[in-house]
Amino acid sequence: NAGVMQNPRHLVRRRGQEARLRCSPMKGHSHVYWYRQLPEEGLKFMVYLQKENIIDESGMPKERFSAEFPKEGPSILRIQQVVRGDSAAYFCASSLTRGAKEAFFGQGTRLTVV
Amino acid sequence: AQRVTQPEKLLSVFKGAPVELKCNYSYSGSPELFWYVQYSRQRLQLLLRHISRESIKGFTADLNKGETSFHLKKPFAQEEDSAMYYCALDQTGANNLFFGTGTRLTVIP
Repeated sequence: NAGVMQNPRHLVRRRGQEARLRCSPMKGHSHVYWYRQLPEEGLKFMVYLQKENIIDESGMPKERFSAEFPKEGPSILRIQQVVRGDSAAYFCASSLTRGAKEAFFGQGTRLTVV
Repeated sequence: AQRVTQPEKLLSVFKGAPVELKCNYSYSGSPELFWYVQYSRQRLQLLLRHISRESIKGFTADLNKGETSFHLKKPFAQEEDSAMYYCALDQTGANNLFFGTGTRLTVIP
């Protein structure tokens, strides 16, 4: 089991472009969590998804951000029209059952907006 | 509201010296607390949780409800302990963990 895989590891986007971050959960895991870490801050929860459903998006910015976890394929965090303030490390975690404390983390994607 | 505070961004100790990484929390309920570690170029991984009361890699952490603290301790630091350490709180019924800002530990040979 390769663990939670995130790609790309590093992503550079110009202001106004779209960023797509992918997360492949551990085998058999159907629960996915996305966190964002801004510079000098701790990881902040963004969204919790189960296959094909968004369960909790209380941490997602209201605009430009969206997430999905389709029946087949990885979970995608999509940021439209990126701005400099979106520059951060984005971490994905997955769990076998519901519960963030049982989750395993990926290595993160570092997004830089220039 | 729940909050996790790690007052030290950076901490350097010499090899063989004791190390303590501080974590304070605020939460009105009964907390469950964790320490996560991220070694260079590796993923964030669970180091220990307070309910298991175990020692991992020589690290221990005791939940002190009176002081609302969950400090991470190791009596003799090793070079391989150099990493980022995050304290996290699990709120009952929540779908996420609340993380502190992290402490970067450097063990000097």
